[in-house]
Amino acid sequence: DAGVTQSPTHLIKTRGQQVTLRCSPKSGHDTVSWYQQALGQGPQFIFQYYEEEERQRGNFPDRFSGHQFPNYSSELNVNALWLGDSALYLCASSSSGSVVGEQYFGPGTRLTVT
Amino acid sequence: AQSVTQPDIHITVSEGASLELRCNYSYGATPYLFWYVQSPGQGLQLLLKYFSGDTLVQGIKGFEAEFKRSQSSFNLRKPSVHWSDAAEYFCAVARRGSTLGRLYFGRGTQLTVWP
Repeated sequence: DAGVTQSPTHLIKTRGQQVTLRCSPKSGHDTVSWYQQALGQGPQFIFQYYEEEERQRGNFPDRFSGHQFPNYSSELNVNALWLGDSALYLCASSSSGSVVGEQYFGPGTRLTVT
Repeated sequence: AQSVTQPDIHITVSEGASLELRCNYSYGATPYLFWYVQSPGQGLQLLLKYFSGDTLVQGIKGFEAEFKRSQSSFNLRKPSVHWSDAAEYFCAVARRGSTLGRLYFGRGTQLTVWP
């Protein structure tokens, strides 16, 4: 049983560019959350998708957007990249049938903005 | 506002020694509590969780944690540390009763193990 997978593993972009990160949830999971982990910090919640809609959002600007597909996979898009967007982006999946939404994390995508 | 505090940024212990990692939270009501571990190049792995009931919870890899309501703490412990335990450890909380499962994390404690 494959766990949560993310692609690409690493990515280097230039300021002002746009980036798309991808996530496939664990089998049987229908909810995907995205987190940003800056160097030396704990993960910060970006948003969560369920039934192809954004269900809740953290304190991130509109430059961060996402999408969920009918097969529950998800994309995170970041426009007009800043240097400060350099971070590890983690995808987590969970089941809506779980009481608390216990989350399983992927290995992350390391984004470097130069 | 909810917050999670891990006061120790970096801890070093000798292999075989005991370990305690501290976590305090600030929340309107007792939240769900979690400890995660992150090894280099890896995602976060759940070690253990507390929802209700017995305040001493057992997790994977020989870890345990104790919930103390009076101190708003959820400290992680291990009686004898192995070299493979070297990693970063994160305490996290989620709002009780929520099905949304948004996690709030502390900044992490980096554990170094000496042979």
